[in-house]
Amino acid sequence: EVQLVESGGGLVQPGRSMKLSCAASGFTFNNYDMAWVCQAPKKGLEWVATISYDGSSTYYRDSVKGRFTISRDNAKSTLYLQMDSLRSEDTATYYCASKYYGYDYWGQGVMVTVSS
Amino acid sequence: DVVLTQTPVSLSVTLGDQASISCRSSQSLEYSDGYTYLEWYLQKPGQSPQLLIYEVSNRFSGVPDRFIGSGSGTDFTLKISRVEPEDLGVYYCFQATHDPLTFGSGTKLEIK
Repeated sequence: EVQLVESGGGLVQPGRSMKLSCAASGFTFNNYDMAWVCQAPKKGLEWVATISYDGSSTYYRDSVKGRFTISRDNAKSTLYLQMDSLRSEDTATYYCASKYYGYDYWGQGVMVTVSS
Repeated sequence: DVVLTQTPVSLSVTLGDQASISCRSSQSLEYSDGYTYLEWYLQKPGQSPQLLIYEVSNRFSGVPDRFIGSGSGTDFTLKISRVEPEDLGVYYCFQATHDPLTFGSGTKLEIK
């Protein structure tokens, strides 16, 4: 059974950093591109970042470029999102997702609240 | 950025009837490789999104054949025939052709 389990969320002050993790199991992690998608409270979905299966390529939405870093450790089957210089508008639930046909599988999401 | 406009914003459907959702793109979603990377997702209440359709019309594994995706270029449609109670939620179209990748704003399906 495919499982994606996010962790690392919580309350953080504006300007500070937070690192999210996504532990994958039930599939060959290093064969799949991976992504982070966020959803602000009561809002729609927004793509945040994607990383290729081998980590050689990364892509970001403009609003997080230079602040967020997506990475992966294929030996640990884990995806990461390092979030620096956090802003109130980054408050959202963050989902990790595996990409093959589309975003085939999603984690349960982790809430990040940026507030003083 | 590519803007995906979904209509209607909300939809109330009688069980067993058909529902139709439109997704219009501000640019053609046909990629240089000939494929069109338009996907549909359903987010049921309190759950993570789930993939329904990829590349316009291909159903993901386990998705009932009541879900039918169609369209080309800039105009796409998701039809749900014989709506069932478990179909309620918010439907999103999504394009993976152009950077940045973008979602539509969602269509909320309610059961009458």
